[in-house]
Amino acid sequence: EPEVTQTPSHQVTQMGQEVILRCVPISNHLYFYWYRQILGQKVEFLVSFYNNEISEKSEIFDDQFSVERPDGSNFTLKIRSTKLEDSAMYFCASSEQGLAEQFFGPGTRLTVL
Amino acid sequence: AQSVTQLDSQVPVFEEAPVELRCNYSSSVSVYLFWYVQYPNQGLQLLLKYLSGSTLVKGINGFEAEFNKSQTSFHLRKPSVHISDTAEYFCAVTEGPGGYQKVTFGIGTKLQVIP
Repeated sequence: EPEVTQTPSHQVTQMGQEVILRCVPISNHLYFYWYRQILGQKVEFLVSFYNNEISEKSEIFDDQFSVERPDGSNFTLKIRSTKLEDSAMYFCASSEQGLAEQFFGPGTRLTVL
Repeated sequence: AQSVTQLDSQVPVFEEAPVELRCNYSSSVSVYLFWYVQYPNQGLQLLLKYLSGSTLVKGINGFEAEFNKSQTSFHLRKPSVHISDTAEYFCAVTEGPGGYQKVTFGIGTKLQVIP
């Protein structure tokens, strides 16, 4: 069964450093998403991406964040200068065109020291 | 705007007893509803979904949920829980159909199954 994959599973970084979280969505999906879950809190929407541009973003997704689909298979989330409060689990998701069901990856746990 | 309310943050239940995890939603349009389960230190796994059709939805691991439009609820039930069901359960909603639609999650309910 096709699935969304994410790498790395755990990323540790120093405050102020740039990080790139990687995702490989399901191959025939056209819509891509990032969510995050701060420890002990609910999962929050960050951004949706379609046709090589951002469709919607939340207030969390400020200028420090960016997304990119650098090739036909990867979807990345970049945080330019990490802050302590960026420590969270980051989930990538994808969906087919015309359907609302999203398939989630296993997540990348980001720890900012 | 859509929102999800999970009324219970923690639910302790004895093994082999029935359980119901409550979820209410609000939305101005038609919705798709989901329950996800998250085991400790793991990602989100889809338990079941309501897209259309029968309001009683069966999912994996013996769980089921009933969509009640008049009460805007989507409660999750299992007739007999196992120790392995100990996890956090998230109710979620997205406004469908079509296109990109963000998923809005509830705060989660921690189910603790007591031996």
